[in-house]
Amino acid sequence: DADVTQTPRNRITKTGKRIMLECSQTKGHDRMYWYRQDPGLGLQLIYYSFDVKDINKGEISDGYSVSRQAQAKFSLSLESAIPNQTALYFCATSAQGRTGELFFGEGSRLTVL
Amino acid sequence: GIQVEQSPPDLILQEGANSTLRCNFSDSVNNLQWFHQNPWGQLINLFYIPSGTKQNGRLSATTVATERYSLLYISSSQTTDSGVYFCAVDPGANSKLTFGKGITLSVRP
Repeated sequence: DADVTQTPRNRITKTGKRIMLECSQTKGHDRMYWYRQDPGLGLQLIYYSFDVKDINKGEISDGYSVSRQAQAKFSLSLESAIPNQTALYFCATSAQGRTGELFFGEGSRLTVL
Repeated sequence: GIQVEQSPPDLILQEGANSTLRCNFSDSVNNLQWFHQNPWGQLINLFYIPSGTKQNGRLSATTVATERYSLLYISSSQTTDSGVYFCAVDPGANSKLTFGKGITLSVRP
């Protein structure tokens, strides 16, 4: 089983619908991240959390919210999805400290019609 | 914020060839990582290398922090090396990484 698991892996929805993407990890890491990838571009940071009580906005947080339900779980919500939120979304984790290697989930492909 | 530029944007190789991928960044960094995204979209961490040189099989990476660049070397390329290679950096030490746009590598059999 993957160390960082994302659900759903693929989702097609309509404009205005609420969508939640879930991430769980078994790596025991404190730090979790949500990134968005658009075709031909790198990844952009949406939100990040360094522990359960710590939530921080990234570069592109508008239109998104997150919840850190437990050390191992970090969810991303789109309250009212719009077509330009169509993208590939990645959850990632890292351990605290200088060797902060980032480990990614398999990605969630979201299409908003 | 910090800027990350990768070059070349695209690269086509014949199987068995060697290649060098470059990452330039605009400020000093405490964290630099290289990732490979395979054709199925999966992102794999290749190296954590804010400075110095590391090797892992046919891949090696060198970061010259004082000159603000990093190089990823692929030797004896294989078709499974195809995909997109990302460099990502953080001026701090918390893995809040800024990604480059990636280098698309195609290795032909």
